Parts: sequence; structure tokens; C-alpha cells
Amino acid sequence: DADVTQTPRNRITKTGKRIMLECSQTKGHDRMYWYRQDPGLGLRLIYYSFDVKDINKGEISDGYSVSRQAQAKFSLSLESAIPNQTALYFCATSDFLASRGAFFGQGTRLTVV
Amino acid sequence: AQTVTQSQPEMSVQEAETVTLSCTYDTSESNYYLFWYKQPPSRQMILVIRQEAYKQQNATENRFSVNFQKAAKSFSLKISDSQLGDTAMYFCAFSPFGNEKLTFGTGTRLTIIP
Repeated sequence: DADVTQTPRNRITKTGKRIMLECSQTKGHDRMYWYRQDPGLGLRLIYYSFDVKDINKGEISDGYSVSRQAQAKFSLSLESAIPNQTALYFCATSDFLASRGAFFGQGTRLTVV
Repeated sequence: AQTVTQSQPEMSVQEAETVTLSCTYDTSESNYYLFWYKQPPSRQMILVIRQEAYKQQNATENRFSVNFQKAAKSFSLKISDSQLGDTAMYFCAFSPFGNEKLTFGTGTRLTIIP
């Protein structure tokens, strides 16, 4: 089983709809992140959380919100999806040292039509 | 703020040859980590190699090695004896010590030609 699991793997939604992407992890890490990948832009940080009571905006948080339901669960919501939110979304985790880098889920391909 | 630059959008090389992917970064931090991630067509992000900035010795993992030049803020990845399975997108990433957020470059798409 994957250490970091994202659901759904793929999703097509309509403009204006609310959608939630979910992430759960079994690595026991406190730190969790949501990244967005676009062609030619690499991965950009949307939100991150260092523990259950800590939520922080990343560089591209507009139009997104998150919820840290438990140490192991971190969900990303698009309140009113728009076409330019079409992208590949990754959840990641890391321990407090971060020297081992982050561990990624398998990504959610989101298409907004 | 940190920036990571990968100036080679695409590269290709014959199987069994050696290839070097370039990465430069800009930071005012003195302690940090650098990483190379591989993203094959399966889209999974896989950590290839990491380097601690306070270590002068270049990291090596089997066929993968880095050339870390701290003064030049350069962190290139060398893949020796390239294999078809090395075909992937490669991302360079930076993380300041004590702040685990990763800043990524835009990636290099590497194709290994049989």
C-alpha cells in the first residue's frame, strides 16, 4: 500500500462546482503539503501544515482552501472551480528534519470544463 | 525568496551514454538541502538524490551523482550508463534548513533513445 494516498486519481468537474481532493498518509509525518503541477511551471506550493493546528498559505493559495482533519489527513478544496485550475495536484509529507525530502502521493489529475 | 532554475527544458541521449542535467538556484540561506526528483510517465514523484549544503562531498546513488558547487549555486545531476527506464521528467528542488517547504525548478524532460 502507498504511504501517501490521494483520492481521486482523476477527476473531471464543471466550472463553478465545489470539489475536494483528499490525502491520507501512513508515514507518521507531521508535515503535509499540497502542490500543483503545470506544464512548464514545475510544482508550486498551495498550502502546507506542520501539525493539526497549523495551516499556512503557499505561493498560490487563492481559490483554494484546506483542512487538516487529523495528523494523517489533509484535504484540499476548490470552492468554485475554474478552468485555469486544471492541473496535476500532489499531496506530500515530510518529517521535521526534511533532510530526506518530501514523500509524494500519486497525484490527482483535475480537469475543469 | 528562493528560486530554482533549470535551463534545459528537454534533453535526449543514447542508451548507455552519460548525461548531465543542470540546475542553478538563488538563496540567501547558508544551510539548506538540494534534491533531484524523477517523474516517470506514471507521474509518481521519486526522490533520486539529495545533498546537504554543509557537506562538501558530492552525493552519489548508484548511477546518479551530483556536482554541487555552493559558491556558484549550481547543482547538476549526472546519470551514467543511462537506461531506458531513466526516461522521465527531472525536477531540481531546494529546501532551507528548518523550513521544509520545497521550491522546484520547471523541470527537464529526459528521453533515453534505444
